[in-house]
Formats: sequence, C-alpha cells, structure tokens
Amino acid sequence: GENVEQHPSTLSVQEGDSAVIKCTYSDSASNYFPWYKQELGKRPQLIIDIRSNVGEKKDQRIAVTLNKTAKHFSLHITETQPEDSAVYFCAASWSDSNYQLIWGAGTKLIIKP
Amino acid sequence: NAGVTQTPKFRILKIGQSMTLQCTQDMNHNYMYWYRQDPGMGLKLIYYSVGAGITDKGEVPNGYNVSRSTTEDFPLRLELAAPSQTSVYFCASSHIGGPTDTQYFGPGTRLTVL
Repeated sequence: GENVEQHPSTLSVQEGDSAVIKCTYSDSASNYFPWYKQELGKRPQLIIDIRSNVGEKKDQRIAVTLNKTAKHFSLHITETQPEDSAVYFCAASWSDSNYQLIWGAGTKLIIKP
Repeated sequence: NAGVTQTPKFRILKIGQSMTLQCTQDMNHNYMYWYRQDPGMGLKLIYYSVGAGITDKGEVPNGYNVSRSTTEDFPLRLELAAPSQTSVYFCASSHIGGPTDTQYFGPGTRLTVL
C-alpha cells in the first residue's frame, strides 16, 4: 500500500534560522500533499498544501516544494519564530483508497531562543 | 460556527467494555473522517463517510463501527475494547473536495483501555 516517510523526526533550530522537513511517498498517482501543524495538546490544522500540477507554493514564511519524479515534497519555514514550535505532519493522497490521506509520522520542530 | 466538536474529551475503559465517541460538525460538510493518533505516530484513518448513509473503511477499521444518519453527526463505536485501542481519536470533516480539501479537526478524545 501507500507509504509516507517523514524526516527528521525531531528538528531543533535557532530562532531566526530556516527549517526544512522532507517527506517521500510511494504512490505515483498521488495528487495532493498537505502539511498540518499540531501544537501540543491541540488539534491538527492545515498550514499549506500543494497539488501535483504545481512544483512550488509559498505563503509568507512557509513554502512547499514537490518533486514528482523523485516522489518527495518538502516544507520550508524561514525566519523561524517561537510560535513555530509544534509537530508538523505531511500527508499524501492514496489513489487506491479514493484519495484518502496517508500520513507521515510527524516532525517535532523545536525553536531555540 | 462551533466547527467540529467531539465528546467526551477523556475516557477510561476496561477491557471488553463498549463505548461511542460522538462527533458533530456544523459546517454542512459532506465528508467526515475518524482518525486515531498513537504516541509519536501520524494519523491513521479508521472510517470515513462521503455523505449521510454512506460510510467506508479506512486503513485500520478492525474493532470499530460507524454510522452516518445525518450530515452533522458521525459517531464511532468501539465494541469489546482492547488495550491496543488506547489512543487519541480525532474526528474531521471537509467540504466538497473530499480528502483533497482542507480537513477540519475536532479537539480529540483521549481513550485509555485498561
């Protein structure tokens, strides 16, 4: 079945630096790749997404890039701030399951002051 | 709008007991989902629904049942609870785009089976 691998599991960066989280997927027919942020004890919330017909999407300090050939996509956060501390999940749609999402295991992002 | 609401927030069950987790959304979304989140893991889809009267299995449906009699409500039933069902359960909903649309999550139910 579809598999989504997410790296690293924990990422610690200095405030103001950039953070990059990478995900790889196995289903070549996947067409939707969202990123969700989950603060401690809270519900996941969508922060950005990208579809398979686009290579890059940006929203202020957050960007996502997609490489369909290599089957990987990445989340880029620039000028990190303390409120960026959270667990970030990537996901990919799975064509064999009516495009339901398969989720990565998450990356805990720690912003050091 | 309250969005997606879930009850209860916390519950402790004994092995073999049953319970229903409630989920309600007031956004008139067609699609609804139930996920479980184990510690240090991503979300796993249990069941989903594309509209009232229509449900389908996700990745990990064993030990659970669902129903969707109205657009608003999507309860999850656990029969014969087992320790392996200890987890945080999230309900979510999305609009017409289905799983490739923004999913709005409820606050979660933390379930412990002892």
